[in-house]
Amino acid sequence: DVKVTQSSRYLVKRTGEKVFLECVQDMDHENMFWYRQDPGLGLRLIYFSYDVKMKEKGDIPEGYSVSREKKERFSLILESASTNQTSMYLCASIPRGLNEKLFFGSGTQLSVL
Amino acid sequence: EDQVTQSPEALRLQEGESSSLNCSYTVSGLRGLFWYRQDPGKGPEFLFTLYSAGEEKEKERLKATLTKKESFLHITAPKPEDSATYLCAVRRWDGSEKLVFGKGTKLTVNP
Repeated sequence: DVKVTQSSRYLVKRTGEKVFLECVQDMDHENMFWYRQDPGLGLRLIYFSYDVKMKEKGDIPEGYSVSREKKERFSLILESASTNQTSMYLCASIPRGLNEKLFFGSGTQLSVL
Repeated sequence: EDQVTQSPEALRLQEGESSSLNCSYTVSGLRGLFWYRQDPGKGPEFLFTLYSAGEEKEKERLKATLTKKESFLHITAPKPEDSATYLCAVRRWDGSEKLVFGKGTKLTVNP
């Protein structure tokens, strides 16, 4: 079965810190995604990547950047964390061209104090 | 702009009381509609994919249906373990595999 692993389950950071959220998938998927989930707002797409070193902005990219140096790893970077970035972050992956489900990780609950 | 609207936002049922969750969508060319279940503090768990109007899929007490404008998730004789947030998402024909999600319906089934 496909495994999407997010490096941290819970993370607490201070305002202004640089934060890295890591996601690794073990099935050679071309596409990887970062969503954030907030009560009352649902899942919103931050960034996605359709291949190594390729990225596209999602619906809410402001305040975030991403890195995809290897196919299996997709990193979400908060250059200077702010309290409004406190959220649940979810990583997902899927092979290119496959009109099937996204495989999700278990999420990282980030608190910025 | 693609829109996915789920209703109701929250639903409380008694064990055994059947009901339906609604997902209405506006998308330019539906490639697939997806239902997920999410338990608190966890990632979404896949339930169903529907590709064309008239399609139906079933799994245990759940049945998903699709029309040209909306999808329903029917829950028959629910049990407390069916309590979760149910998410609907759509994928369109834009060359990417990204999903656009609704805000979810939080279902609580009381014993």
